[in-house]
Amino acid sequence: AQKVTQAQTEISVVEKEDVTLDCVYETRDTTYYLFWYKQPPSGELVFLIRRNSFDEQNEISGRYSWNFQKSTSSFNFTITASQVVDSAVYFCALKGGGGKLIFGQGTELSVKP
Amino acid sequence: DAGVIQSPRHEVTEMGQEVTLRCKPISGHDYLFWYRQTMMRGLELLIYFNNNVPIDDSGMPEDRFSAKMPNASFSTLKIQPSEPRDSAVYFCASSLSAGGQETQYFGPGTRLLVL
Repeated sequence: AQKVTQAQTEISVVEKEDVTLDCVYETRDTTYYLFWYKQPPSGELVFLIRRNSFDEQNEISGRYSWNFQKSTSSFNFTITASQVVDSAVYFCALKGGGGKLIFGQGTELSVKP
Repeated sequence: DAGVIQSPRHEVTEMGQEVTLRCKPISGHDYLFWYRQTMMRGLELLIYFNNNVPIDDSGMPEDRFSAKMPNASFSTLKIQPSEPRDSAVYFCASSLSAGGQETQYFGPGTRLLVL
């Protein structure tokens, strides 16, 4: 069975702090893909990043960075120097061979000025 | 380029009424997905189509729910009769394929409230 766990239900930080959102996954597939989506207060789901199971290189995009570690089945997301606009619910998701996207329960991030 | 379009954005109806949600996928995408988001169950896949054909409807909660895709640019999710427990945000998403490497792009969602 495939599963995604985001143990942090809510995180609150003050602007300019760094924050890491944890994601742990379970799958028996050897080929799989991991995703992060952002859901701002307006409600839409915005795609942030996709990684495949063969590529463990970390990725940085501006203030965002992702750390993928197969050894611990984790795909964590760090926001550096957080801003109020980063306030949102962030979802980690897994897709294996079956093609279905399995979402975690989400982490609600609140960035206070 | 236009993203996935959903209508209506908000729907308030009374129990027992028929509700129809609409979706226009991104042009050229062969796969279309319907999801439901609730506080209790999170985001769950209801059904998905490939080239207008339903492939997996195992997530459809019960016979009151039905989905169609009459052509490549339009899909509907219908609930008849609606019940208060159907209140949720319904998302439509589309992708070039269902393969793992393909990203699903989501519409803005329809917020449904059944009184």
